[in-house]
Amino acid sequence: AQKITQTQPGMFVQEKEAVTLDCTYDTSDPSYGLFWYKQPSSGEMIFLIYQGSYDQQNATEGRYSLNFQKARKSANLVISASQLGDSAMYFCAMRETGGFKTIFGAGTRLFVKA
Amino acid sequence: ETGVTQTPRHLVMGMTNKKSLKCEQHLGHNAMYWYKQSAKKPLELMFVYNFKEQTENNSVPSRFSPECPNSSHLFLHLHTLQPEDSALYLCASSQVYGGDSNQPQHFGDGTRLSIL
Repeated sequence: AQKITQTQPGMFVQEKEAVTLDCTYDTSDPSYGLFWYKQPSSGEMIFLIYQGSYDQQNATEGRYSLNFQKARKSANLVISASQLGDSAMYFCAMRETGGFKTIFGAGTRLFVKA
Repeated sequence: ETGVTQTPRHLVMGMTNKKSLKCEQHLGHNAMYWYKQSAKKPLELMFVYNFKEQTENNSVPSRFSPECPNSSHLFLHLHTLQPEDSALYLCASSQVYGGDSNQPQHFGDGTRLSIL
């Protein structure tokens, strides 16, 4: 069965520093996609970055990068140069190819300090 | 502004009331989803529709009744709800090509539901 684990309920980071949010996953399917979403206090879920299981390169989108280690089944999100507006909940998610079901982790709340 | 619009943003209802949540997507996607987000719990998938056909019902109680009249609209009809149903209900849409896993879901702002 699919499973997403985010072990950090809360994280603090100083403004302008980098932070890594951890995500490990479990699946028996060789083909899958991994996603990170941001949820500010207002409630909407915002898509940040995607990594495919067969992608050779780690995904990057602006200040976001995904540290994908397939053998370890980890897909950590790295946010560089943190900003106050980065304070939010962050969710790691996975969907197996051929399925509609996306599994979400419990989330990590990030606090950016000025 | 997102391409997925949910109404209402907030809803307070009694346990005997009947209400409906509405979701509309303007992205041309073929799949739509309802999620429930309770405090301190992971996002729970409730229903999935692909081209108006329900493809997933995640053991949701019958007091929640989804309706998908077309690929752009999704409703969640509520009746005889319980206090534990108080949560944020999120609608999402995505484009699914032949089972590809690489299309993200686009979410609405959610409806915060409180059951008295």
